[in-house]
Amino acid sequence: DVQLVESGGALVQPGGSLRVSCAVSGFTFSDYWMTWVRQSPGRGLERVATINGDGSQKYYVDSVKGRFTISRDNAKNSLYLQMNSLRAEDSAVYYCARNVRRDLDYWGQGTLVTVSS
Amino acid sequence: DVVMTQTPLSSPVTLGQPASISCRSSQSLVHSDGNTYLSWLQQRPGQPPRLLIYEISNRFSGVPDRFSGSGAGTDFTLTISRVEAEDVGVYYCTQGTHSPRTFGQGTKVEIK
Repeated sequence: DVQLVESGGALVQPGGSLRVSCAVSGFTFSDYWMTWVRQSPGRGLERVATINGDGSQKYYVDSVKGRFTISRDNAKNSLYLQMNSLRAEDSAVYYCARNVRRDLDYWGQGTLVTVSS
Repeated sequence: DVVMTQTPLSSPVTLGQPASISCRSSQSLVHSDGNTYLSWLQQRPGQPPRLLIYEISNRFSGVPDRFSGSGAGTDFTLTISRVEAEDVGVYYCTQGTHSPRTFGQGTKVEIK
């Protein structure tokens, strides 16, 4: 079975940093693009970042460019999102999701990031 | 960015009755490859989103056949033929044709 399990969410002060992770199983990780999507009451669902199978292509929403970095370790079947210079508006549940063609077919259960002093 | 607008935002329905949700995009969702990457997600209370329908009308693995999708271009519809208690939640349309992917604001389906 395909499984995606996020971890690393926490309470962080504004301006701080955090790395969230997504451990996957049940499929050949390196064959798939992967995406981070966040969900907050104020902003709804928002695609944050996407990465291709070998990590050579990365795409970000404008609001996180220069602050967030998506990466992956195919040997460890893991996806990461390094978040720096965090702001209150980055507070959200962060989901990792698998890309198939131009859809997101499997989602993790999410990890909560709260940015507050 | 492509704006996805859903109506209604809330849909109280009677068990066993049909429900319908509309989604309109600000641009055509027909991709240059000829496909239309419009999908529907279901989010039950306390759960992550789950893919229901992809490319307008294809049910994802394990999705009951009471869920169906239709539409073309900029106008799309998700229909639940007979609502069951487990269908309570929020439904989102999302497009993958244009970058970045965007989502509708969600429609809450609840039982009357």
